[in-house]
Amino acid sequence: EAQVTQNPRYLITVTGKKLTVTCSQNMNHEYMSWYRQDPGLGLRQIYYSMNVEVTDKGDVPEGYKVSRKEKRNFPLILESPSPNQTSLYFCASSSHRGSYNEQFFGPGTRLTVL
Amino acid sequence: QKEVEQDPGPLSVPEGAIVSLNCTYSNSAFQYFMWYRQYSRKGPELLMYTYSSGNKEDGRFTAQVDKSSKYISLFIRDSQPSDSATYLCAMSVADKLIFGTGTRLQVFP
Repeated sequence: EAQVTQNPRYLITVTGKKLTVTCSQNMNHEYMSWYRQDPGLGLRQIYYSMNVEVTDKGDVPEGYKVSRKEKRNFPLILESPSPNQTSLYFCASSSHRGSYNEQFFGPGTRLTVL
Repeated sequence: QKEVEQDPGPLSVPEGAIVSLNCTYSNSAFQYFMWYRQYSRKGPELLMYTYSSGNKEDGRFTAQVDKSSKYISLFIRDSQPSDSATYLCAMSVADKLIFGTGTRLQVFP
């Protein structure tokens, strides 16, 4: 089954404790991205990657890091999480660069930073 | 001012009703217009996609784009309880993709 998977689905952590949210897709997609979804603000792009070893900032990159060492994986790293990073996070992939291409979203990771 | 504005709802309608969901935008450069549907505790999934102005129909769903008014709509005919979800509009130009905040729709039997 073609899908984007994220782990963990739920995470409660404390301020300053480094964490990684994994994302993997099995569709051989070139383009992957991370979004956060907040009430009243909608989906906002954090980082995106056009291919292996190619990443760039989205609209809200502060406090996040990413890496793309393999085509299928695109982990999101929070080096020192803060309460304002409490949010619902989505990983997405699409077959090509170009925002008009259909984005396939993962199931989401709900993060709470205390 | 946000680039894309969408009424958050919630919108509650009886089964069988015609639903109209709308977004306005300020960036006249947007070329591609999409509607994503998001069920509770799931990621968004693409529902409809249109390029430039005009209408596009897919079963019970019709997407409408009016570029002169910077206004897009999604109509759902004969709405069903299974249509209960949050509907997000999205618009793009080049590599920029902007989502609306989503409208929560509830269709009751």
